[in-house]
Amino acid sequence: QSVLTQQPSESGTPGQRVTISCSGSSSNVGRHAVNWYQQLPGTAPKLLVYRDNQRPSGVPDRFSGSRSGTSASLAISGLQSEDEADYYCSTWDDNLKGRLFGGGTKLTVL
Amino acid sequence: QVQLVESGGGVVQPGGSLRLSCAASGFTFSNYGIHWVRQAPGKGLEWVTFTECDGSSKLYADSVKGRFTISRDNSKNTLDLQMNNLRPEDTAVYYCTKDEVPGKPGAGPGYWGQGTLVTVSS
Repeated sequence: QSVLTQQPSESGTPGQRVTISCSGSSSNVGRHAVNWYQQLPGTAPKLLVYRDNQRPSGVPDRFSGSRSGTSASLAISGLQSEDEADYYCSTWDDNLKGRLFGGGTKLTVL
Repeated sequence: QVQLVESGGGVVQPGGSLRLSCAASGFTFSNYGIHWVRQAPGKGLEWVTFTECDGSSKLYADSVKGRFTISRDNSKNTLDLQMNNLRPEDTAVYYCTKDEVPGKPGAGPGYWGQGTLVTVSS
């Protein structure tokens, strides 16, 4: 059971907008910025969003992040078949004095 | 372009040791903190350890504290992870990742290497 809670699965059809959530506590999401990662099958994770809502160069603006209170979310608009992947949130935790990852959300494009 | 190449993975018996290495290129290595993150087969991501850009601070997950040691050589652009007293639950792909932003305190893992598989089994 991860300290950061994500829904295990999410699905959508091409062109749709989907949201993946990440719920934590005051010692982690409530105090520290959140990153989001995409992991395509058989590949290394890739950074999609850092510091809540910043996108590295090359990441399409279809991907956007936000954080409020002890929750964060990743929104994907204009869903495409190549977005089918596992998505992870991550942040720092003051109690554990280390980084945390959420349990991951498997996104299926129908 | 940025490259992180891990090596040193393999099969080791419980209680044994292994040393992973990460060779970096394409960026100013001494400006970035580096993380190791692992992923057990079919499971999610688990942060393992981190070293500041100058090696002044090193942090470890509770699951590896006292058994794993991270070190870096900024003159050679390399990073090592010494893993001792290995357990079956340490079986995973180990990824070397550079922090997304330079300096301190950083912003978390950015670019990831392709990983190296460690299998702990008798």
